[in-house]
Amino acid sequence: QVQLVQSGAEVRNPGASVTVSCKAFGYAFTGHYMHWVRQAPGQGLEWMGIIKPSGDWTSYAQKFQGRVTMTMDTSTNTHYMELTSLNFEDTAVYFCARDVSDSTSSWWLDPWGQGTLVTVSS
Amino acid sequence: SSELTQDPAVSVALGQTVRITCQGDCLRSYSATWFQQKPGQAPILVLYGENNRPSGIPDRFSASSSGNTASLTITGAQAEDEADYYCYSRGSSGNRWVFGGGTKVTVL
Repeated sequence: QVQLVQSGAEVRNPGASVTVSCKAFGYAFTGHYMHWVRQAPGQGLEWMGIIKPSGDWTSYAQKFQGRVTMTMDTSTNTHYMELTSLNFEDTAVYFCARDVSDSTSSWWLDPWGQGTLVTVSS
Repeated sequence: SSELTQDPAVSVALGQTVRITCQGDCLRSYSATWFQQKPGQAPILVLYGENNRPSGIPDRFSASSSGNTASLTITGAQAEDEADYYCYSRGSSGNRWVFGGGTKVTVL
């Protein structure tokens, strides 16, 4: 069964950093790109970035450039997303989601992790 | 503002048909994908590609597209279809992907 299991909720002060993990089960880990998506309270989904399964290529949304780093560890089948210089507006649920595509014009995300709530509070 | 535009909310009577639309220039090049999200849950995939449903998604869900507009149709809406629906596609420029703002579907 393909499954993504994320790390637990985190609370950080403004200016701090947070790392969320996403452990993959049930599929060839290096066979799929991984996306990270976040959702602020009461808001829509926001795409943050993508990492290639080899770990040697990433693409980040312009909004997060310079603050986000996505990495992976093939020995533990785990992806990581680090967000630095946190501010109150970074309070959100962060999801990892496996990329699937037909390699031409269609991409979809399946499955998703259960989400990790990151709260930025002083 | 999002590169993909959705109506914020629609309502449908139980058993009737509702169509949700998603507009964006990137849809002229790439297919839209649709996700359903219920409160407190992670999104789930409901439609992808031209009109494909993952295992477990009822056939009352269907997709279509024309030009810069993609649509999700629920034919014979059920109470359990009440949720937020998001479209998703590759962006027009660069290696980035985008979500629509989401449409809240209420089943009356």
